Amino acid sequence: QVQLQQWGAGLLKPSETLSLTCAVYGGSFSGYYWSWIRQPPGKGLEWIGEINHSGSTNYNPSLKSRVTISVDTSKNQFSLKLSSVTAADTAVYYCARTRMFVWLHEGMDVWGKGTTVTVSS
Amino acid sequence: QAGLTQPPSVSKGLRQTATLTCTGNSNIVGNQGAAWLQQHQGHPPKLLSYRNNNRPSGISERFSASRSGNTASLTITGLQPEDEADYYCSAWDSSLSVWVFGGGTKLTVL
Repeated sequence: QVQLQQWGAGLLKPSETLSLTCAVYGGSFSGYYWSWIRQPPGKGLEWIGEINHSGSTNYNPSLKSRVTISVDTSKNQFSLKLSSVTAADTAVYYCARTRMFVWLHEGMDVWGKGTTVTVSS
Repeated sequence: QAGLTQPPSVSKGLRQTATLTCTGNSNIVGNQGAAWLQQHQGHPPKLLSYRNNNRPSGISERFSASRSGNTASLTITGLQPEDEADYYCSAWDSSLSVWVFGGGTKLTVL
């Protein structure tokens, strides 16, 4: 059974760079897209971006200028960097797998447990 | 970027049927349909259905999804206390290559 384990710094100061990594265990890394999603306290889900095993990325236009998602296929891991964080970036950050049917993005079927990131001076 | 519209809250009685809706535009919901996620407080979301009415392994048949035009729906029959949760629809906008989420519906089981 596929599991996602994520980690990274939970407390940041404004202007710092958020850095999270998600490791994929128990399943194939290729054939899927791998996403980052965040959820501010008491609010809904916001998609940040995704990457596949060959490094092809798609980003949320509202965050694109600050986001970099990368992949390390040798370790079955993918990572998120979000630069110049502010208090508005305080959220629970999730990694997730998108199941694919050919080129169709069908849905996010495996999720990490989430990492709480707080931005405060 | 177009969004998905969900009612903020729905309340139904125990063992009743709840239908949650998600409205988008033809580029997203009207194209390949929506996926539905359930989230209990303090937990990550769980996929309930994808590409309209395909259920992942282990998801109860009490959850069924459908689409009519640009509106996707999730119907939950025989409501149980454990169905009380937040429900999100999501859809892939193939024209912009982005995932879009609805704002979520809080389902209360009375």
